[in-house]
Amino acid sequence: KNEVEQSPQNLTAQEGEFITINCSYSVGISALHWLQQHPGGGIVSLFMLSSGKKKHGRLIATINIQEKHSSLHITASHPRDSAVYICAGMNYGGSQGNLIFGKGTKLSVKP
Amino acid sequence: NAGVTQTPKFRVLKTGQSMTLLCAQDMNHEYMYWYRQDPGMGLRLIHYSVGEGTTAKGEVPDGYNVSRLKKQNFLLGLESAAPSQTSVYFCASSYGGTKYEQYFGPGTRLTVT
Repeated sequence: KNEVEQSPQNLTAQEGEFITINCSYSVGISALHWLQQHPGGGIVSLFMLSSGKKKHGRLIATINIQEKHSSLHITASHPRDSAVYICAGMNYGGSQGNLIFGKGTKLSVKP
Repeated sequence: NAGVTQTPKFRVLKTGQSMTLLCAQDMNHEYMYWYRQDPGMGLRLIHYSVGEGTTAKGEVPDGYNVSRLKKQNFLLGLESAAPSQTSVYFCASSYGGTKYEQYFGPGTRLTVT
């Protein structure tokens, strides 16, 4: 069993819809990252959070440490949001910053 | 700033050949990482470095070697390539360990025939 699980694996939405991607983890982590991988392959960091909620534009990330769960929300989705979204936990107590990655959620937003 | 760059972008090798992948960053980051990404699997850590002259094994280090002779460069070597090493390789760097985001390079697509 993967230590970081994402759901759903694939998600198709219509433009304008509110989207939620979930991430659950079974290990202790000190921080959780949300990454976006573009269709061309490049990976960018969207958020890093260890508690509460962060917002950037139409993207919102939340984390509940006690429940070991994080969500990424996209409001007013757009076709340019189509990408693979990856959550990754930073190992608690590890000083190296090693990340444990989920397998990703492939999002396709249709116009 | 170029950020994190990787050379080459694509490469095809025959089984048994060797090659070196170069990662360079211009952000003065201490930490650097090499990952591989395979279909249906999450990114997996191959090796990492917490500073110039240091390297350590990650989750899947077998068949790879690394060197960090200069702070800005992190090299990944395949001494004798195998088809199982066909993958997309990503380099990343960060200012520190925990609580610092990682910046990723564009990736190198390697095929071993």
